[in-house]
Parts: sequence; structure tokens; C-alpha cells
Amino acid sequence: KQEVTQIPAALSVPEGENLVLNCSFTDSAIYNLQWFRQDPGKGLTSLLLIQSSQREQTSGRLNASLDKSSGRSTLYIAASQPGDSATYLCAVAFFGNEKLTFGTGTRLTIIP
Amino acid sequence: EPEVTQTPSHQVTQMGQEVILRCVPISNHLYFYWYRQILGQKVEFLVSFYNNEISEKSEIFDDQFSVERPDGSNFTLKIRSTKLEDSAMYFCASSLLAGVPDTQYFGPGTRLTVL
Repeated sequence: KQEVTQIPAALSVPEGENLVLNCSFTDSAIYNLQWFRQDPGKGLTSLLLIQSSQREQTSGRLNASLDKSSGRSTLYIAASQPGDSATYLCAVAFFGNEKLTFGTGTRLTIIP
Repeated sequence: EPEVTQTPSHQVTQMGQEVILRCVPISNHLYFYWYRQILGQKVEFLVSFYNNEISEKSEIFDDQFSVERPDGSNFTLKIRSTKLEDSAMYFCASSLLAGVPDTQYFGPGTRLTVL
């Protein structure tokens, strides 16, 4: 079964620190992997998309990496700010599917 | 910047009633999707729609659900006879490229509460 897992479920970090969020997936045959941000009770904001042929993508203070062979992706956030507090979701487009398969997310709290 | 919009933001209905959730995808996008998120759970895929027909659906998307693109801009999800367990946040998404999964852009969601 194609699944996406995110550990830990919650993370608290002091402001200014760099941090890494983890995502793992069960099948290396993927089209792409997308990281989203979700604020409480709100929609999903796309942060970064990594195609299966890419190793990483960067946007501002965010850097996402992809290691297909090990079924892992990381989202690196540099110099964290209180405004980064949100739930971060990882979603994978597996081969043979048009849908995104989501992880349960990591709830990030940045402590001022 | 173009965005996906959804209406209403919150819908309250009685069990057994029909509801229609509306979405306006990004104007030049070709693929449309519905997902849902029950409170505290994962975002789950419901259905994808391309070229005026369903291209993929999950086991959640049973006969109680239907989708339609009634005109050139709207994309709707209908639930014929709502159940308590249909209470969830429903997200519409759209993507540009056909045939190859592309960045999916999500709307703000409609919170459906079934009483």
C-alpha cells in the first residue's frame, strides 16, 4: 500500500533555530513530492514541489530535499520565526495515480 | 496571483439533505480535484476530473457523491444525502498540466457540518 508518514507529529523550537521536518514514503516510484503549509482551520498553501528527477528545491528560507531510493524527503527551515508556526504536510504523487497521498503532518511551534 | 476559490466557507446541513460545494479553479488549469479532511485526520483524495469526466476516484467517492463542471469556470461537488460522517473540510484543487501530475493548487476549503 502506498503510504506517506511524517514524524514527529509535533515539534517545538526556539525562534531563530534551523530545523528539519521529515517525510517518508513507501514506494520509490513517484512523479513528485509536494510540501504544504496549513494554518489552523485554513486551506493548504503549496510551499515547494520536487519532481522525481530532482534532488532539492529552494524557496527563500525553505529547502526541500528528495531521496527517492530511500523513500525520504526533508524540509529544512532556516532561521525560524514565530510566523512559521503551522502544520506542515508532505504529499506524494505516486506512479499510476493522479491524486496526492498526504502524510498526517508535523505541527510546528516556534517559541518566541 | 491566480487562486482557487471555494464557496461557501462554512455549510451547516441536516443529515439526509443534499449539499453542493462550489469551486472556481484557476482559469487556465485543466485538472480538477476534490479532497477532504476530517478533523484531526489526513487529507484524503476523493476524485479527479479532466476533460469533463471523472479520471480517478477513491473508495470514499460512492454513489452519494457527484462532480460537475456546469460551465467554463465552476466545479462542483454534490453530496446527495449527507451523513454525520461527511462532516469535514472539503478542498478543491486544480493543476495546469494534463497527463503528468503537476503542482496542485488548493482552495481555502469549505467546512461542512452535518447535524
